[in-house]
Amino acid sequence: ETGVTQSPTHLIKTRGQQVTLRCSSQSGHNTVSWYQQALGQGPQFIFQYYREEENGRGNFPPRFSGLQFPNYSSELNVNALELDDSALYLCASSPKGAGTRVGYEQYFGPGTRLTVT
Amino acid sequence: GEDVEQSLFLSVREGDSSVINCTYTDSSSTYLYWYKQEPGAGLQLLTYIFSNMDMKQDQRLTVLLNKKDKHLSLRIADTQTGDSAIYFCAENKGSSNTGKLIFGQGTTLQVKP
Repeated sequence: ETGVTQSPTHLIKTRGQQVTLRCSSQSGHNTVSWYQQALGQGPQFIFQYYREEENGRGNFPPRFSGLQFPNYSSELNVNALELDDSALYLCASSPKGAGTRVGYEQYFGPGTRLTVT
Repeated sequence: GEDVEQSLFLSVREGDSSVINCTYTDSSSTYLYWYKQEPGAGLQLLTYIFSNMDMKQDQRLTVLLNKKDKHLSLRIADTQTGDSAIYFCAENKGSSNTGKLIFGQGTTLQVKP
């Protein structure tokens, strides 16, 4: 069984540019969550996608956007990059929960290290 | 992770028990988690506990939850050098149908041989 995969592994961008990060969820998982982890900090929730729609969002500006595809893979897009966007971006996938519970059991990928210069 | 607090560093000797502590603020959190992160890697889900439980044991790991004090702990028995990593506590702070995890800053566990 393949776990959560992310691409690319590392990325260097210039301030003002746009970036797209990709995530393939674990087999059988239908929910994807994205987190930003700055150096020395815990991950911060960006948003979650369930059934191809945004299902909850953290305190991030609209220039952070995402998509989920019918195969449950996902993209994170960041426009107008700022220096503070330099971080490890983590994707987590979750299996279908019991009842109405969504995305409470989260399995993380290895992350994409984004450096903005 | 301003809502979840952990001590930053813990050092133990190989073979000893490690206890990592965490406090959280939202009494309505339904699930509480422990994740492990090794250098340059993503987060590994170690275990999680539902808020109506007060203890969960899984091999060398024991999780204790004191809901009254909003205190969560992770005990690692017979700590090994391979346990050296950063350990994150997290709470599920979304509604029941949103898995929004709030993480602490992480506790670095150093295991000395």
